Amino acid sequence: SAVISQKPSRDICQRGTSLTIQCQVDSQVTMMFWYRQQPGQSLTLIATANQGSEATYESGFVIDKFPISRPNLTFSTLTVSNMSPEDSSIYLCSARAMNTEAFFGQGTRLTVV
Amino acid sequence: AQTVTQSQPEMSVQEAETVTLSCTYDTSESDYYLFWYKQPPSRQMILVIRQEAYKQQNATENRFSVNFQKAAKSFSLKISDSQLGDAAMYFCAHSFHAGGTSYGKLTFGQGTILTVHP
Repeated sequence: SAVISQKPSRDICQRGTSLTIQCQVDSQVTMMFWYRQQPGQSLTLIATANQGSEATYESGFVIDKFPISRPNLTFSTLTVSNMSPEDSSIYLCSARAMNTEAFFGQGTRLTVV
Repeated sequence: AQTVTQSQPEMSVQEAETVTLSCTYDTSESDYYLFWYKQPPSRQMILVIRQEAYKQQNATENRFSVNFQKAAKSFSLKISDSQLGDAAMYFCAHSFHAGGTSYGKLTFGQGTILTVHP
């Protein structure tokens, strides 16, 4: 199994600012993903973080709003840019090795005021 | 595109009793994975059980078991001898098997909130 450290665990931010969330995995993994979860709702995939190249975004999510980096096999960041109250949500990092289950960070609860 | 549906927004069970959570899915692939994840108030997503579609035998993990009906595209979770610590949001999820460009991504159902009464 993999242990994922995600920081910060929560933050309150002013609208118009940006927040970068970090995700560190304790072992090399093949894939890393970023999900968004509205309180009490399901998880929606934002993008797949690709090592050394641009992330692959799902429909409805764009790089200018959610830039993602993955400089190596164990680390990724998600930035929420130019935030508005609609961005208030829980953001979760996930990692997966080949033919295993996905492991998750503890999530970042973001509140935009 | 694959979809996952959990038709029970909320369920409740008495401690020590058995409860079944329902999940249906739709996919065009023949080889895939199905999962049940548990999310307590701490927000941590915890894997409960996983099933590979090519395996006919239903997966079991201690008090947790699934009823996997591939033809019906149904994947229910049975929790036996329910404990107070089982109270959480439960998510059913699907992912493709290795080899495709969509491999690794999880599609989640809407979730079922499970309450356990002492």
